[in-house]
Amino acid sequence: ELKVEQNPLFLSMQEGKNYTIYCNYSTTSDRLYWYRQDPGKSLESLFVLLSNGAVKQEGRLMASLDTKARLSTLHITAAVHDLSATYFCAVVPTATTSGTYKYIFGTGTRLKVLA
Amino acid sequence: AAGVIQSPRHLIKEKRETATLKCYPIPRHDTVYWYQQGPGQDPQFLISFYEKMQSDKGSIPDRFSAQQFSDYHSELNMSSLELGDSALYFCASTVGGSAGELFFGEGSRLTVL
Repeated sequence: ELKVEQNPLFLSMQEGKNYTIYCNYSTTSDRLYWYRQDPGKSLESLFVLLSNGAVKQEGRLMASLDTKARLSTLHITAAVHDLSATYFCAVVPTATTSGTYKYIFGTGTRLKVLA
Repeated sequence: AAGVIQSPRHLIKEKRETATLKCYPIPRHDTVYWYQQGPGQDPQFLISFYEKMQSDKGSIPDRFSAQQFSDYHSELNMSSLELGDSALYFCASTVGGSAGELFFGEGSRLTVL
């Protein structure tokens, strides 16, 4: 069974600091997605990583994918309070017999940035 | 740009009642996914549809059923509701066959009393 694990599960950090969230998965997948979720809200797409070595950056967030290590990272640079949210990675293993894909979400990392 | 539309946004039901959630995907998206998210938990996959056919099934209780209609909208029917069914229910859509980006609706919050 595919497992997608994130660490840490909870992260409290000071504004201005850097930190990395890790997403490990247990099966072959050549694409990975990062989402942000504010409390009680929908999931907002942050990054789409489609190949080994892919790196995407948006503002203070940078995501990378290493398909050989089955690892993705979400790096936060100089955190600000507005980044406080829960971050999920989602992995897409191979297609089902019906030709569609199952998106498996990680456990989530709840980030709190302290002013 | 049009997004995924879910209704109702909030729903309160008593135990053993039934509930129906609706999802209207982004135009030209033919694949719909339903997820259930309990408080403080990650989204759990329930069921998916591609071109109006069920394509995959996750941890969906037998009390729940769903379908996708000819206009690609989908409905999740929940019967004999239990307290544990209280959750946020998300619908997401994408173009099938490509493992592309999932676009999520705002969710329907179900509270079972």
